[in-house]
Amino acid sequence: AQSVTQLGSHVSVSEGALVLLRCNYSSSVPPYLFWYVQYPNQGLQLLLKYTSAATLVKGINGFEAEFKKSETSFHLTKPSAHMSDAAEYFCAVSLNNNDMRFGAGTRLTVKP
Amino acid sequence: ETGVTQSPTHLIKTRGQQVTLRCSSQSGHNTVSWYQQALGQGPQFIFQYYREEENGRGNFPPRFSGLQFPNYSSELNVNALELDDSALYLCASSLWDRANEQYFGPGTRLTVT
Repeated sequence: AQSVTQLGSHVSVSEGALVLLRCNYSSSVPPYLFWYVQYPNQGLQLLLKYTSAATLVKGINGFEAEFKKSETSFHLTKPSAHMSDAAEYFCAVSLNNNDMRFGAGTRLTVKP
Repeated sequence: ETGVTQSPTHLIKTRGQQVTLRCSSQSGHNTVSWYQQALGQGPQFIFQYYREEENGRGNFPPRFSGLQFPNYSSELNVNALELDDSALYLCASSLWDRANEQYFGPGTRLTVT
């Protein structure tokens, strides 16, 4: 069965610094991969998704992620953190239409 | 375009009781998925509904059941509530042929005492 592992339950960066949130996946076949963001007391918002097209995926709010099959990774990056980026981030994997598996999440804190 | 809405926002129940949570899908979306998000964890897939039938289920016991209505709205029912059922319940809607592109509602926070 497919799964994802998010390395680091909490990441803290300074405003303007690079954001790097790590995600590794396990799947027997090429998966669909996703990053979602969750702000306090809200549902999940899709940041970006990989569906076997370009390996570098650009999302909303300046985020992007690169699919690396050799490393089974799908890390999320943003060149310059903003205070509004503080939230919980979830990596997810899906093989079909109805079973999306989420990681445990990484809480991003942005220091002024 | 109306997004995904869920009701109620918060709910407190006693162990052994039954609860019904409701979800209205985004306009035009015909597929609804339900997730349970325990505190400090990622969402876990409960089940999905399409054409008013369950289409895929995660590792949840039968006391978790659901319905989908002709207008694509959905209900999640949980019988014989247990303390561990305390969680945020998220509903997500999508188009069947783009079911990986899910739009989430704000969730219902269920507390079981």
